[in-house]
Amino acid sequence: DQQVKQNSPSLSVQEGRISILNCDYTNSMFDYFLWYKKYPAEGPTFLISISSIKDKNEDGRFTVFLNKSAKHLSLHIVPSQPGDSAVYFCAASARGRDDKIIFGKGTRLHILP
Amino acid sequence: GAGVSQSPRYKVAKRGQDVALRCDPISGHVSLFWYQQALGQGPEFLTYFQNEAQLDKSGLPSDRFFAERPEGSVSTLKIQRTQQEDSAVYLCASSPIRDGLTEAFFGQGTRLTVV
Repeated sequence: DQQVKQNSPSLSVQEGRISILNCDYTNSMFDYFLWYKKYPAEGPTFLISISSIKDKNEDGRFTVFLNKSAKHLSLHIVPSQPGDSAVYFCAASARGRDDKIIFGKGTRLHILP
Repeated sequence: GAGVSQSPRYKVAKRGQDVALRCDPISGHVSLFWYQQALGQGPEFLTYFQNEAQLDKSGLPSDRFFAERPEGSVSTLKIQRTQQEDSAVYLCASSPIRDGLTEAFFGQGTRLTVV
């Protein structure tokens, strides 16, 4: 049973435009959400996070939006750059219970020139 | 070191062979995680340590998988009698505990191929 779902395996976006990656979760105990970026042959690297007490967190070109009632979050990248081409993983944890982080299957983002 | 270090980077094992995968976490990090990532999938949780205590091993796929962190620093994931379905990238991550925030820093992984 997938607790964190990324329904789009891949996404192609023109350079300079906005990239929007989506993520849904099923476990209402999740209270902390993270996005990781992964290049081939490397481990995932932390990108941005958001606590359930917020609905938006921004860091430079990256913004994460959280809609708790819909159990949905999204990562916006604007403007998209060629170096953003990678696999993006959505992840969630229930900090009130433990530090275990559950990952989605990832979305491969292609930035087109 | 500056980051999480895993060794070996690549391991080819014959079916039935035992393997040991090593993880050196970031110094001072109390939480350590092991994940298994099959081709085209996201990382799947295997087990979790806080210092030397293994708090959760619910993700270990079978009793052939065993993890330890005896001194609360370096961890070893051991797989006995490897099978072809064990072929995957094994990722280790460590995390500080600070004000309840959780950001796991990952190593580059060990790619295990069972032939």
